[in-house]
Amino acid sequence: DAKTTQPPSMDCAEGRAANLPCNHSTISGNEYVYWYRQIHSQGPQYIIHGLKNNETNEMASLIITEDRKSSTLILPHATLRDTAVYYCIAHTGANNLFFGTGTRLTVIP
Amino acid sequence: EADIYQTPRYLVIGTGKKITLECSQTMGHDKMYWYQQDPGMELHLIHYSYGVNSTEKGDLSSESTVSRIRTEHFPLTLESARPSHTSQYLCASTLGGYNSPLHFGNGTRLTVT
Repeated sequence: DAKTTQPPSMDCAEGRAANLPCNHSTISGNEYVYWYRQIHSQGPQYIIHGLKNNETNEMASLIITEDRKSSTLILPHATLRDTAVYYCIAHTGANNLFFGTGTRLTVIP
Repeated sequence: EADIYQTPRYLVIGTGKKITLECSQTMGHDKMYWYQQDPGMELHLIHYSYGVNSTEKGDLSSESTVSRIRTEHFPLTLESARPSHTSQYLCASTLGGYNSPLHFGNGTRLTVT
């Protein structure tokens, strides 16, 4: 599974869009990009995933570049409850899933 | 909503005790995982299972053991707890394959005194 690189921390004003970047330059053709978030000490929560096309669900949007070497998770209207650590993972569903340190997003009132 | 449950949520235990952390899921997922996470740190995979009677060690060396006798149940056991085992333990499951997300339990926070 490809390793991913994320900024360690970001701030976002409440009500504004939060754009969280992720680099996965060694991603292979069959690896999906997954995003999870972890609030306080709870278990990580699945947000969204995609292979090539941009994806949107009720929580977020995922923009994947055409070369698939990077992606951006967009929270369109960040709230205080979106403060969390966000993890970007590239994997094939194989057994060893590497989470990394993620991005700590702080939503500021 | 994912149905994966971990018990206990919190556990404080003395050194040398044997403990079992429980993890159960009702989704019929074949693949299950145990992660260890210290506060503010990344998740480390310690064990995983492809299905019944299958268990493998993960990246992080761990003195714990696991079993998978039933699809829905993936308990983790520490034969003799030590203060170095103090951590949060997270269980997860997935159908497997490229297009299946992980579902996590809320974890067990273990403190060994």
